[in-house]
Amino acid sequence: SQQGEEDPQALSIQEGENATMNCSYKTSINNLQWYRQNSGRGLVHLILIRSNEREKHSGRLRVTLDTSKKSSSLLITASRAADTASYFCATDDSSASKIIFGSGTRLSIRP
Amino acid sequence: DAGITQSPRHKVTETGTPVTLRCHQTENHRYMYWYRQDPGHGLRLIHYSYGVKDTDKGEVSDGYSVSRSKTEDFLLTLESATSSQTSVYFCAISEGTQRTDTQYFGPGTRLTVL
Repeated sequence: SQQGEEDPQALSIQEGENATMNCSYKTSINNLQWYRQNSGRGLVHLILIRSNEREKHSGRLRVTLDTSKKSSSLLITASRAADTASYFCATDDSSASKIIFGSGTRLSIRP
Repeated sequence: DAGITQSPRHKVTETGTPVTLRCHQTENHRYMYWYRQDPGHGLRLIHYSYGVKDTDKGEVSDGYSVSRSKTEDFLLTLESATSSQTSVYFCAISEGTQRTDTQYFGPGTRLTVL
């Protein structure tokens, strides 16, 4: 089944650096979403990008979408300790009947 | 957590016993979902509901049943719990009219089946 797959599975960076994680998917989509999950908590929606959009910003977050490569990236600039979390992409299918979550990228910010 | 509560938050039970998890929302959203989260598998959809008494299966529905007798409550039942059902269970709602709309998650229930 279609699924967004995040890369890398884990990422550790120094506070203040930028963090980039990627999501690849298999079939055409209508939109792609990114979620964050702090340890022991539920997922929190970060941003949604539609298939006709190439880039979207929200605060320190920048999401790009390349439908020709079937991939998306999430950039977090000037990382902070509070950004330590798992990040998931979620893709719908072309029939817009459901969304499927990837396995996530675990981001650790070192002080 | 977008007005979504789950109960209990933690439960330890024995193999073969029935277990019911409750999800409660305060804002009358149409769509509600139950997911399980396991290491290496991300989130997997168990069942979802698109209205009172309207439910359907997700990708990992075997061994689970659901009920929705009121808009605000969505119950997940494990008829006879097995160790493979040890997991963290999340309830979610989506605000819009499509299953692909943004979802908002509850805090989760950690279930251990011994």
